[in-house]
Amino acid sequence: SQKIEQNSEALNIQEGKTATLTCNYTNYSPAYLQWYRQDPGRGPVFLLLIRENEKEKRKERLKVTFDTTLKQSLFHITASQPADSATYLCALDNRNTGNQFYFGTGTSLTVIP
Amino acid sequence: GAGVSQSPSNKVTEKGKDVELRCDPISGHTALYWYRQSLGQGLEFLIYFQGNSAPDKSGLPSDRFSAERTGGSVSTLTIQRTQQEDSAVYLCASMSFGGDTQYFGPGTRLTVL
Repeated sequence: SQKIEQNSEALNIQEGKTATLTCNYTNYSPAYLQWYRQDPGRGPVFLLLIRENEKEKRKERLKVTFDTTLKQSLFHITASQPADSATYLCALDNRNTGNQFYFGTGTSLTVIP
Repeated sequence: GAGVSQSPSNKVTEKGKDVELRCDPISGHTALYWYRQSLGQGLEFLIYFQGNSAPDKSGLPSDRFSAERTGGSVSTLTIQRTQQEDSAVYLCASMSFGGDTQYFGPGTRLTVL
């Protein structure tokens, strides 16, 4: 069956440390993978996209890696701040089905001052 | 410019009633998605519109759910004879033609009593 799993529902880290979130998928063949941030009561907001032929993508304090052999993406927030506290969702397309995007259940990150 | 808007923001209804949820996408975006997000769950794909093409309805959970998109812009998701298990946040997202980033609205929280 198809699955997208994100590590532990909740992750607590100390301010200034690096947060690492994982996204593992099974029985999908994505051309690309995305990460979104969702705050309570709001819709998800796009952060980064990484394509299947890219190993790593960076944007300011964010870094995403994509290993199509392991079927895994890692999402890093360096020098984390309390304002980074939110739920982070990974999403992937599936070239075999075309139009749809598939989302993980998300990881709730809390950065402790 | 304006982002994706949804109305109402909250809707409380009685079991068995029909509800209509509205989505105004970003102007010029040809693709429009509806998702459902239940507590502790990931985003569940419901339906996808792309321009004037026939919509992809493969995610609709039952024939009580339907959606329209008039004039390639505003979309309405209708749930007939609501059940308590329909209680969730319904999110709408739009995307430009050829794009790969979805822009989400704030969602409509539906509560069926």
